[in-house]
Amino acid sequence: KAGVTQTPRYLIKTRGQQVTLSCSPISGHRSVSWYQQTPGQGLQFLFEYFSETQRNKGNFPGRFSGRQFSNSRSEMNVSTLELGDSALYLCASSSELRETQYFGPGTRLLVL
Amino acid sequence: QQQVKQSPQSLIVQKGGISIINCAYENTAFDYFPWYQQFPGKGPALLIAIRPDVSEKKEGRFTISFNKSAKQFSLHIMDSQPGDSATYFCAASYRDDKIIFGKGTRLHILP
Repeated sequence: KAGVTQTPRYLIKTRGQQVTLSCSPISGHRSVSWYQQTPGQGLQFLFEYFSETQRNKGNFPGRFSGRQFSNSRSEMNVSTLELGDSALYLCASSSELRETQYFGPGTRLLVL
Repeated sequence: QQQVKQSPQSLIVQKGGISIINCAYENTAFDYFPWYQQFPGKGPALLIAIRPDVSEKKEGRFTISFNKSAKQFSLHIMDSQPGDSATYFCAASYRDDKIIFGKGTRLHILP
């Protein structure tokens, strides 16, 4: 099976812009989670989707949003980008909630 | 209460030595404790996981020790190899809630 894929892999944006990141889970996986990884804060949970429904949400401002499609693919959107949003954004999929999560390689976002 | 505290932040071990990374938690409702390994340029990958009904789990050179009363768990890497050099994350979760990660330990094994 192909692993979790994330596009794009690298992205440079300027403050105030918005960005959409995409995640394709492993075939058959219905749960997709998003994380923000920074050197200082480690891995921070953004949100989790299961069968197109948001099941859990982390402590991030409303500028961060996501959705999941019927084919389990997921997107996350960040509006009004700030310098502090520069990070590696990781997507992970699992077959069911709370089962082993398989991470993608991430999208590295740089906000200038 | 939702935090998982991981130490040390970085660790240098000689080849063949034992690497030990520790984690502590507060929420006694946590019932699943995975460890993830991340290499540069890659996403984290599950290494080994434990549930609180056992005190130890071993997979090859990797062992999780779990102390429920102290609310601590640790990862031991026996006979550490240069290929083990990576960042390690402990984590905890309960029921259908999100997984909480520690801040990571950067491990470097000297050849």
